Parts: sequence; structure tokens; C-alpha cells
Amino acid sequence: IAGITQAPTSQILAAGRRMTLRCTQDMRHNAMYWYRQDLGLGLRLIHYSNTAGTTGKGEVPDGYSVSRANTDDFPLTLASAVPSQTSVYFCASSDRGAGGYNEQFFGPGTRLTVL
Amino acid sequence: QKEVEQNSGPLSVPEGAIASLNCTYSDRGSQSFFWYRQYSGKSPELIMSIYSNGDKEDGRFTAQLNKASQYVSLLIRDSQPSDSATYLCAGAIYGGATNKLIFGTGTLLAVQP
Repeated sequence: IAGITQAPTSQILAAGRRMTLRCTQDMRHNAMYWYRQDLGLGLRLIHYSNTAGTTGKGEVPDGYSVSRANTDDFPLTLASAVPSQTSVYFCASSDRGAGGYNEQFFGPGTRLTVL
Repeated sequence: QKEVEQNSGPLSVPEGAIASLNCTYSDRGSQSFFWYRQYSGKSPELIMSIYSNGDKEDGRFTAQLNKASQYVSLLIRDSQPSDSATYLCAGAIYGGATNKLIFGTGTLLAVQP
């Protein structure tokens, strides 16, 4: 079934721990994105990748890093988690990263709690 | 100032009525707009895209875009209880390092049986 998968579905993490959220898409989309969604703040872009091998910073990149070794995978790493990173994280993908229409499709999300 | 503004609601309509969801945006560089539906605890689901002024219809949904007034709306005809969800408006800005989507905070729609 074509789409985006994310893992884990949810996670409780101690502050200071390292955590990698996984995202895989099988739609052969060039661009991938990581968002966080917080009550009252909406969806905010953390990092993006227009194509495999490239990444860029979004609106709220501090404390997060990403890599894009291939088309399908776009992991998000929290090097040392802090309570303010408690949120729901969504991965998304689109056919184009830049220079064209940009319908983005979202994965099921990861609910992360940092204590 | 948030670049995409939505009334948080809740907007309550009776079953069978027309639900009207509104969105305004501040960046005149926004070129395309999208409506996403998000059920509680689920991910956003794309339901409508609109790229030019005017109306675009898809089944029970009609999106309306007025770039001069910087206004986007979504009409849902014959509303059903299953339409109860949060509706997110997003505007796309092209020409930068990435195609950037700016999301509103969403309007909660409640369709009463």
C-alpha cells in the first residue's frame, strides 16, 4: 500500500536521551518534511529535504537534525531531548521540493513525550 | 502576526446543512492553497487544492479563492456527522529554498445529527 509510515507510533523519553524518529515513503516523492504539531500553534516545519542528499532548516530546527541518504527514508534525530520537544511529529512528502505545486501528504505521526 | 488565520471554532452545524470554513492570509506571495481534514488523534488528510481565483468543486466540497481579498474558504454541502473534524488551511509560497506550506491553526467543525 503506497504511503508514508512512521515509527514509533508513540514514545515516552527521558530528558537528555537521544531519539530517532523514522519515516519511510514508497511514493517515490522527491521532497520530504518533518513537522511538529502543538496545541494552539498548528503545524510548524522543522526540517525539509527537496531531494535525496540535500536537507534544509525549517521554522523550528533547533535541537533536531535530519539526513536523507536515499529517496525513501528521512529520519529525524533529537540529540538530547528536552521537555519542550514533547509534541506530535508528522512526516510528509510531496512530488516536488521547489519550483512547482506542492501537495503534501502526511504520515500517521509519532506522539513523543519527554519527561 | 500569523500568516494564515482561521477561526478556531467550534463551528457547529446541523446534519444536512452547509458548513462554511474561512481562512485569510497575509502574504500576497502565496500562490496555492490547500485544505486538510484532521480527525482527532490522526494525521492531516488533503481534501482540496486550489491554485487560481474562483471556485473549485469536488463532490460535496467547494473551495473558493479570492487573491485580491486574500481569502480562502471551504464549503461542505450536505454536512454529515463524519465531517466532524478540524480543518486546516495552508498556503504555499514558492520560489524559496523549498516550497513552503504555512498552516493555520485549524477550525473545529462539529456536525450535529
